[in-house]
Amino acid sequence: KAGVTQTPRYLIKTRGQQVTLSCSPISGHRSVSWYQQTPGQGLQFLFEYFSETQRNKGNFPGRFSGRQFSNSRSEMNVSTLELGDSALYLCASSFGQPGYGYEQYFGPGTRLTVT
Amino acid sequence: GQQLNQSPQSMFIQEGEDVSMNCTSSSIFNTWLWYKQDPGEGPVLLIALYKAGELTSNGRLTAQFGITRKDSFLNISASIPSDVGIYFCAGELKNSGYALNFGKGTSLLVTP
Repeated sequence: KAGVTQTPRYLIKTRGQQVTLSCSPISGHRSVSWYQQTPGQGLQFLFEYFSETQRNKGNFPGRFSGRQFSNSRSEMNVSTLELGDSALYLCASSFGQPGYGYEQYFGPGTRLTVT
Repeated sequence: GQQLNQSPQSMFIQEGEDVSMNCTSSSIFNTWLWYKQDPGEGPVLLIALYKAGELTSNGRLTAQFGITRKDSFLNISASIPSDVGIYFCAGELKNSGYALNFGKGTSLLVTP
């Protein structure tokens, strides 16, 4: 069974630009969560989508947004990039339903560098 | 999110030694997960715990869900060089859905 895939793996952007990251979950998983990982703050929850609906959102500004498609693939968008947005962005998939547990499986991440 | 206090921050041990690390919080968690992350990769799930007092093993790894539901422990027995990496605890608060709170990680170095 294929794991979680994320594209692109590396990205360099300039301040003020916007960026879109993509995530394909494990087949059969309907929940996709996004996390930001930085050396200073560690792993922080951004948002979670299930069946194309955002179910949960972390404490990030509105510049961070996401969406999920009918095939469970998800994208996240960051607008008006700031230097502090440089991070590893991780996506995780799970079944997302009661009775299936809360185990989340992570992709390799997208390394975003903002200059 | 809720702060998870993970300790120790780093460990430098010899091959063959046993390792213990833990996570504590002031909040009650429904689920505890332990992950390992290698450089440049995403975290890999090692063990999931769902019940207070639960003790679960995965090979040389053993983890426990604390009785108070506010802590969890991970032990690695007979460490080997490939155990090198950063270990993270993650907890799911009651009614928080699928938002995981993570500890800051324990960096493990193993010398042959």
